This record gives sequence, C-alpha cells and structure tokens, in this order.
Amino acid sequence: GDSVTQMEGPVTLSEEAFLTINCTYTATGYPSLFWYVQYPGEGLQLLLKATKADDKGSNKGFEATYRKETTSFHLEKGSVQVSDSAVYFCALSDRGFNKFYFGSGTKLNVKP
Amino acid sequence: DAGVIQSPRHEVTEMGQEVTLRCKPISGHDYLFWYRQTMMRGLELLIYFNNNVPIDDSGMPEDRFSAKMPNASFSTLKIQPSEPRDSAVYFCASTEPDRVGEQFFGPGTRLTVL
Repeated sequence: GDSVTQMEGPVTLSEEAFLTINCTYTATGYPSLFWYVQYPGEGLQLLLKATKADDKGSNKGFEATYRKETTSFHLEKGSVQVSDSAVYFCALSDRGFNKFYFGSGTKLNVKP
Repeated sequence: DAGVIQSPRHEVTEMGQEVTLRCKPISGHDYLFWYRQTMMRGLELLIYFNNNVPIDDSGMPEDRFSAKMPNASFSTLKIQPSEPRDSAVYFCASTEPDRVGEQFFGPGTRLTVL
C-alpha cells in the first residue's frame, strides 16, 4: 500500500547550518506531496507542497522537489534558525483523495 | 476566518468518565478529520468526514470512541468510558474538496485521563 518514510530524528544543528530531512514515498499513480511543520504546543501547518513530478515547493526558505525517479521529496533549507526548531512531517495524498498519509515526523533542534 | 476551533484546549478527567471533544471547522470546508498524537504512536488518523458523512473510521481504536458531525460547522469526538491510555493530544483538521492534502489544523485538545 501507499506509505511515507521519513528519516528518524532528532536532528540537531547549529544556527546557519544546512538542513536536509529525507522523505521517500511508495504510491500507485501520481500522488501530491506535502511538508507540514508543527511548532511546540501547536497544530500542524502546511509548509509547502508539490503536485507533480519535478515540481519544487518552497516557503519560508524551505524547499523540496518532487522526484519521481527516486520517489523522494526531501526537505532542505540553506541556513536554519533557532526559530525553525519544530517537528516536520512529510505527507502524500492521491488525486481522488481516497488516501492520505503522514510520515512519522522528524524533530529538528537548532542551537544558537 | 478564525481557523479551526477546538474545545476544550485541556481536559483532565478520571478513568471511567465520559469525555467529549469539540471541533468547528473552517466555513466552506467539506472535509473534517480527527487525529490523535502521542509520543509512542505519533500522529494517527482516527476518522474523517466528507459533507458530514463519516467516510473512513478504520483508525478509531475501539468501540469506546465515537464521532459525529451533525452539521457542517460542528463535530464531536466522544470517549466513553475513558482510560489512561487515551491520554494524548487530539487534533481536528478541515479542508476544501479540491485541496484535500492541504489540511488546516486546530490547536488541539490535550487530554489527560488519570
């Protein structure tokens, strides 16, 4: 069945470091892919999305490219800030919304 | 728009008591989801509704859990009787028909069952 696999955390980085959080998926057809972020004590928020192969989603300095050949949607940011400390979730949905899946989440800690 | 509204924000109850969590989705959103989040199990989809009709409740852990959506602006998740292992943060989310992957989450209800 369809699924999303994220790298396990926590990921600990110093401020201004480069961030990569890996996400791979298994799906039939052509899903849409998403990254959500959850700050401490809050609900999840949509961070970025991509709806077809080679699309690049971007927001707040974060980027992710939909790679069909490697079934991946890795999240990247060139220079993280302490305020980026949060849990990041990769997710996918199929076109007809018969299915929607969240990954297990990756906690990011950014130290000053 | 005020976003998805959940109440209460915190609930502390004793084992065996009935608990009712409430959610008001964003106006115009036809899909409503209930999730549970724990450290051990992560984020779990419990049930979702489309146009007030339950579509998939396969994530509801057992018969003690029930959810209703009597109208487009209100949903409840009930646990009866509650048990300590139900302690978690419960989130409600909603979205539009053509943007089902783009869910808007409420702030959550932190439930503690003693």
